[in-house]
Amino acid sequence: AQKVTQAQTEISVVEKEDVTLDCVYETRDTTYYLFWYKQPPSGELVFLIRRNSFDEQNEISGRYSWNFQKSTSSFNFTITASQVVDSAVYFCALWGYGKLTFGQGTILTVHP
Amino acid sequence: DSGVTQTPKHLITATGQRVTLRCSPRSGDLSVYWYQQSLDQGLQFLIQYYNGEERAKGNILERFSAQQFPDLHSELNLSSLELGDSALYFCASSAGQGSSGANVLTFGAGSRLTVL
Repeated sequence: AQKVTQAQTEISVVEKEDVTLDCVYETRDTTYYLFWYKQPPSGELVFLIRRNSFDEQNEISGRYSWNFQKSTSSFNFTITASQVVDSAVYFCALWGYGKLTFGQGTILTVHP
Repeated sequence: DSGVTQTPKHLITATGQRVTLRCSPRSGDLSVYWYQQSLDQGLQFLIQYYNGEERAKGNILERFSAQQFPDLHSELNLSSLELGDSALYFCASSAGQGSSGANVLTFGAGSRLTVL
């Protein structure tokens, strides 16, 4: 079985603050993929990033960065200099056993 | 626009009724996945089809069924509806079979079902 835990249910920050969303996963697969998706207030799910289990290199894309640590089974997501438009629900997900398993999501609210 | 089209966007119906949700995958994608998003259960995988054949099954109730047609569009049928079936139903598509996570799932905007 596999499981994704996003311990932070809700986070509230003020614009320009940095914020880190935590994700911890459990799997018995040796090859797996980790994802982050964003769900803005409009409701659609938007793909942000995919990492495979063999690539622990951190990734940066503009204000977004991801820290993958296999030793702690974590795949954390940091938004630098947050903006109001970053307000959304963020989901961490794990591909394994033929399906994509999502965490419960973290509601991020960025106040002006 | 993700390229995955779901209809209807909103649907209100009564308990005991049957509804059909439709999904057209992104051009070129052969796999279709259905997910249910509710407040208490979060995002739950229901079922996956690849090129017309069922490939993986998740927490799909026996009252629910799905199929993928030769033109690759998919339909999710929900019958004997209960209040607890009220949720946002997402369809996603990917290019490959889905046997590995190498394929990114592209999601549609969802169909919001309200059962009264």
